[in-house]
Order: sequence, then C-alpha cells, then structure tokens
Amino acid sequence: AQKITQTQPGMFVQEKEAVTLDCTYDTSDQSYGLFWYKQPSSGEMIFLIYQGSYDEQNATEGRYSLNFQKARKSANLVISASQLGDSAMYFCAMRDFSTGGENKLTFGTGTQLKVEL
Amino acid sequence: DTGVSQDPRHKITKRGQNVTFRCDPISEHNRLYWYRQTLGQGPEFLTYFQNEAQLEKSRLLSDRFSAERPKGSFSTLEIQRTEQGDSAMYLCASSLALAGGPWDQYFGPGTRLLVL
Repeated sequence: AQKITQTQPGMFVQEKEAVTLDCTYDTSDQSYGLFWYKQPSSGEMIFLIYQGSYDEQNATEGRYSLNFQKARKSANLVISASQLGDSAMYFCAMRDFSTGGENKLTFGTGTQLKVEL
Repeated sequence: DTGVSQDPRHKITKRGQNVTFRCDPISEHNRLYWYRQTLGQGPEFLTYFQNEAQLEKSRLLSDRFSAERPKGSFSTLEIQRTEQGDSAMYLCASSLALAGGPWDQYFGPGTRLLVL
C-alpha cells in the first residue's frame, strides 16, 4: 500500500525567505508520480508541481521546485522568495501507475505554512 | 471560468436526510474523481469515472453513497440517510488521461457538508 508522510504539521517562514516542506513516501512500485498541492483557507486544491519517478531532473515551476531523492524516497517542496499569499495548507500526494492503482491520488496529512512579515 | 465547478459550496442537513452534490469538470477532461476531506486530514479517494463508466470505488464508499456520470460530462454524488460522520469537504477533480501524461488532477472548490 502507498503511504505519504508529512512530518511538519506547521511551518513559519519570513517573507522573501526560502522554505522547504518535507514529504516522504512509501511504495513498492517502480513507476509513480509525486504531486504537491496548495489549499488556501477557501478550500480549493491548487496543483503546484509534478515529478515522475523516472524523471532525471528535479521539477521546477516558477518559485516552486521539488527536491526529489529517489533512494531516500523523499520529495520535498522548496518555495523560494516566500510571499504572504503562500500562507496555506500544502499537501504532498502520490499516484502509482501500476495496473489498478493509476486512478487515484494518495495524500499526506499536510503542512500548514504561515508566511510572516 | 473554465475550471472545475461544484454545487452547492455549502450544505447543512439533518441526520437521516439525503443530499446530492454536483460536479462539472473541465470540458475536455475524460476522467472525474471524487474525494472526501475531513478536518485536519488530506483528501481521501472515493471513486473515479472514465467518461461515463465508474471504474473504481474505495471501501470508504458505503452503500449509502452513490455516484453517477450519466453522459460522461457532469457527475453527481448522493449520500442517503446522512450521518454525522459524513460531515466533510467533498472534492471533485478532473483530468485528461493521455498516454505519457499529463497526470495532474484539477480540483474544484469543494462542497462543505455539515450533518446536524
């Protein structure tokens, strides 16, 4: 069974600083995908970044980058130059591509990020 | 707005009543997913459709829950005889399934259900 672990229930960061949100995963599959979503207080889940298990380069999307360490089974999200609008809940999720398992995301419990002036 | 939409955004009901939620996916997306999110937790998968076919259901989806996507476009999720434990955010997501990706699911704003 797949499992996503996010060990930081809450994080604080100063505006304009970088912050790393931790995510470790457990799967026996060789082919899988890792996602990060942002959930503001309004509730919608906003897709941020995706990393495939066979991708050799770490994914980047603007101020977001994913630090993918396959051997350690970690997929940490790095947000550079934090902004007040980054304050939200952040979820790491995994999707496997094995037969029967490719159709759903398994989420972690999330990290609440607060950006301070 | 061409994103995923859900209706209603909020629903308060009394225990034992039936409720129905609607999800309109992004128009060209062929896959539609339902998730449930309780307070302090990440979303949990409930069920998924490819076009009009319901292809996977979670064990979380008890007999009181039924989902449909009759024409492969919008979907409805009905909960019969609601219980207080059904109180949660119900999230709908859609994606375009193509060989090689993209794999990202786009979520709607959710329906917050409170069962009194």
